[in-house]
Amino acid sequence: DTEVTQTPKHLVMGMTNKKSLKCEQHMGHRAMYWYKQKAKKPPELMFVYSYEKLSINESVPSRFSPECPNSSLLNLHLHALQPEDSALYLCASSQDSGAGGEKLFFGSGTQLSVL
Amino acid sequence: KQEVTQIPAALSVPEGENLVLNCSFTDSAIYNLQWFRQDPGKGLTSLLLIQSSQREQTSGRLNASLDKSSGRSTLYIAASQPGDSATYLCAVTPGTASKLTFGTGTRLQVTL
Repeated sequence: DTEVTQTPKHLVMGMTNKKSLKCEQHMGHRAMYWYKQKAKKPPELMFVYSYEKLSINESVPSRFSPECPNSSLLNLHLHALQPEDSALYLCASSQDSGAGGEKLFFGSGTQLSVL
Repeated sequence: KQEVTQIPAALSVPEGENLVLNCSFTDSAIYNLQWFRQDPGKGLTSLLLIQSSQREQTSGRLNASLDKSSGRSTLYIAASQPGDSATYLCAVTPGTASKLTFGTGTRLQVTL
């Protein structure tokens, strides 16, 4: 299994809603990532988890809250988002972020629209 | 701060042509460089990864080269097919940690 699975594929939410994005991989990877991608722009790193611990937070607003319940799962909890947060949210995994520069495996993403 | 630029931003070629996509980066102190493919509204698929000590990598019709000293990489696609139509992104990893810096992307369309 070389897949990273993200759910849901599409999400529409209001600014007062609370929702969660989910990501799962069964490749035994110990590093997992959240990226945000606006239309026609490259992905931007949000968070990195290494061995289930948050290792990088790219100064992301607190309305985005990541969680890594175990080595296979990564969640992104959303609360009080703004319309400008509408984007494609991508999850990725790699064998081990500590070694630097491993091949990343990406999920298909969640297309989020905030109304 | 590392900046990664890809030229051209968009490219349209007829089926069967060989083509070259370019990637340039400002800081040559990189750990490796990766080329990705992204279909519209989808995630990224890693195509090739070149370590900083390597000069090139090949996979099928794809060949990627790396010249660290000049801050350049190229992705060569042989005998292009309509199925190659996608956005191609290069990304560099700095000397430590897996913190990719992505390029601006090249949107490729291969026409029949």
